Amino acid sequence: EDQVTQSPEALRLQEGESSSLNCSYTVSGLRGLFWYRQDPGKGPEFLFTLYSAGEEKEKERLKATLTKKESFLHITAPKPEDSATYLCAVQAGSNDYKLSFGAGTTVTVRA
Amino acid sequence: DADVTQTPRNRITKTGKRIMLECSQTKGHDRMYWYRQDPGLGLRLIYYSFDVKDINKGEISDGYSVSRQAQAKFSLSLESAIPNQTALYFCATSDPTDRSYQETQYFGPGTRLLVL
Repeated sequence: EDQVTQSPEALRLQEGESSSLNCSYTVSGLRGLFWYRQDPGKGPEFLFTLYSAGEEKEKERLKATLTKKESFLHITAPKPEDSATYLCAVQAGSNDYKLSFGAGTTVTVRA
Repeated sequence: DADVTQTPRNRITKTGKRIMLECSQTKGHDRMYWYRQDPGLGLRLIYYSFDVKDINKGEISDGYSVSRQAQAKFSLSLESAIPNQTALYFCATSDPTDRSYQETQYFGPGTRLLVL
């Protein structure tokens, strides 16, 4: 069974204080690893898809990396508007539709 | 306008009542999904549909049913609501032909359901 564990559960940062979120996964043949951002009262918003170990993707202050066992979401010089819950999900090679989600990391950035 | 919409956005109901949550999409995607989200847990798949005639149970389908009325519409019903079905419910869509995005799922804004 696919498993996804995100850490920490919550992260409080000062504006400008860079940090990283971790997503550890166990999956039978990774097809893709997805990062989503979720704001309170809203649905998850797609950020990145990573397909293979060593891959990196960037969007503004966010950078996602992937190894064979985990993915990191690096937040560089965060701003208050980066406050959100960040969700990680994996898709196994045998299923082209099923996403297994982690519980998320809630990031709060204080001005 | 949003690509994936859900109605209602908030709903309070009583134990034993039947309730329907609706999802509509303008993305033109064939695949649609229903998830629930509970605090401290990841999103869990309730039902999914690959097209109008292809509907499948997800990991937590007990107590739920669905109807795919058209490519753009997918409804979730709770036949007899119970308190532990209190949760956030999300609809999502994906396009299996969009290989560049590896079957990315796009989510609606959610329905917050409280069963008393």
